Amino acid sequence: DGGITQSPKYLFRKEGQNVTLSCEQNLNHDAMYWYRQDPGQGLRLIYYSQIVNDFQKGDIAEGYSVSREKKESFPLTVTSAQKNPTAFYLCASSPRGRKLVGTDTQYFGPGTRLTVL
Amino acid sequence: GESVGLHLPTLSVQEGDNSIINCAYSNSASDYFIWYKQESGKGPQFIIDIRSNMDKRQGQRVTVLLNKTVKHLSLQIAATQPGDSAVYFCAELSDGLYGGATNKLIFGTGTLLAVQP
Repeated sequence: DGGITQSPKYLFRKEGQNVTLSCEQNLNHDAMYWYRQDPGQGLRLIYYSQIVNDFQKGDIAEGYSVSREKKESFPLTVTSAQKNPTAFYLCASSPRGRKLVGTDTQYFGPGTRLTVL
Repeated sequence: GESVGLHLPTLSVQEGDNSIINCAYSNSASDYFIWYKQESGKGPQFIIDIRSNMDKRQGQRVTVLLNKTVKHLSLQIAATQPGDSAVYFCAELSDGLYGGATNKLIFGTGTLLAVQP
């Protein structure tokens, strides 16, 4: 099956802990994205990556970190510096990154719901 | 419509009726638009897209209309079914640092479509 997978589906964190959310895609897409969604709200961009070994801050990057060591993977770490991390986290990918090949459409994974205890 | 706090605008329709979901976008320079459907607890699912050189595009049971003069986008769903019940988001592509091809989407706050049997 081709697609985007996120794990875990549910994650619980104690205050002061860092946690890492996994995002993997086997679509051969160049670009990957992390969004945060709060109840009844739209998606806000945390980080994005147009190509391997490169990434940029989105609109709400404070308290988060990412890496893009492989094309297929774009893990997100929620650090203890993020004061209100409880939210639904969505990963997406799109064919066209900095290479400008393919379409702009973003395809989403199933999401990870993070709750701080 | 406008979202107020955590309350999504809601469109309630009878099964079998046509639905029209509206979206106002912010950037007159945006040249690509996408409609997504998000069911509860899941990631957004691509429905249909349109480029700014078009004013209408049709898919299976769905039609997207683009009015660039007033920066307005609409999604029409024909013969609405209970399975269409979800939150619908519009998104516009924002230009950025890499020659206009950053794939950075700006999402609206969403409209909840409730289909009554």
